[in-house]
Amino acid sequence: AQSVTQLGSHVSVSEGALVLLRCNYSSSVPPYLFWYVQYPNQGLQLLLKYTSAATLVKGINGFEAEFKKSETSFHLTKPSAHMSDAAEYFCAVSETLYGNKLVFGAGTILRVKS
Amino acid sequence: DAGVTQSPTHLIKTRGQQVTLRCSPISGHKSVSWYQQVLGQGPQFIFQYYEKEERGRGNFPDRFSARQFPNYSSELNVNALLLGDSALYLCASSFSRSGTGELFFGEGSRLTVL
Repeated sequence: AQSVTQLGSHVSVSEGALVLLRCNYSSSVPPYLFWYVQYPNQGLQLLLKYTSAATLVKGINGFEAEFKKSETSFHLTKPSAHMSDAAEYFCAVSETLYGNKLVFGAGTILRVKS
Repeated sequence: DAGVTQSPTHLIKTRGQQVTLRCSPISGHKSVSWYQQVLGQGPQFIFQYYEKEERGRGNFPDRFSARQFPNYSSELNVNALLLGDSALYLCASSFSRSGTGELFFGEGSRLTVL
């Protein structure tokens, strides 16, 4: 069965500092991987997705993630944090080409300090 | 264009009651999925419907049911409510049934069971 582990339920960084949010997955087949962001009282918005093309995936708002099969990881990074990045971030995995079932991690709340 | 719309946004029910949540997908999207997000956790997959047929079901009891209408809107029904059903219920739409497609989420319906 597929699963996702997000290390660190809360991450705090200073404005301008590197953002690193960790995600490890478990999957019996080559996975599709996603990062979503959720702002307070809003739905989830897709940041980026990996679907077996380039291992380094660039997303919106300056975020990117690298798929590392040997480490079963898909960590999310951003070189310089902005105050507007404060939100909750979810990593998700999908094994099936047909079907929209995503398995989400528990989420990481990102706090950006001024 | 309007995004995914859900109604009601908030509702309070008592144990044993029944609830119906509604979702209108983005125009042109034929797939609707439902997720349950309990406070402090990531969303959990409940159902996917595509072209009015159930295409996937998560690990939820039979008290949960859903349907999709000819205009692709969808309803999620939960019978015999339990305290543990208190959660944010998210609807997501996509153009295809494929797992590589982007899911567009609504802002959710927050259900409180007393």
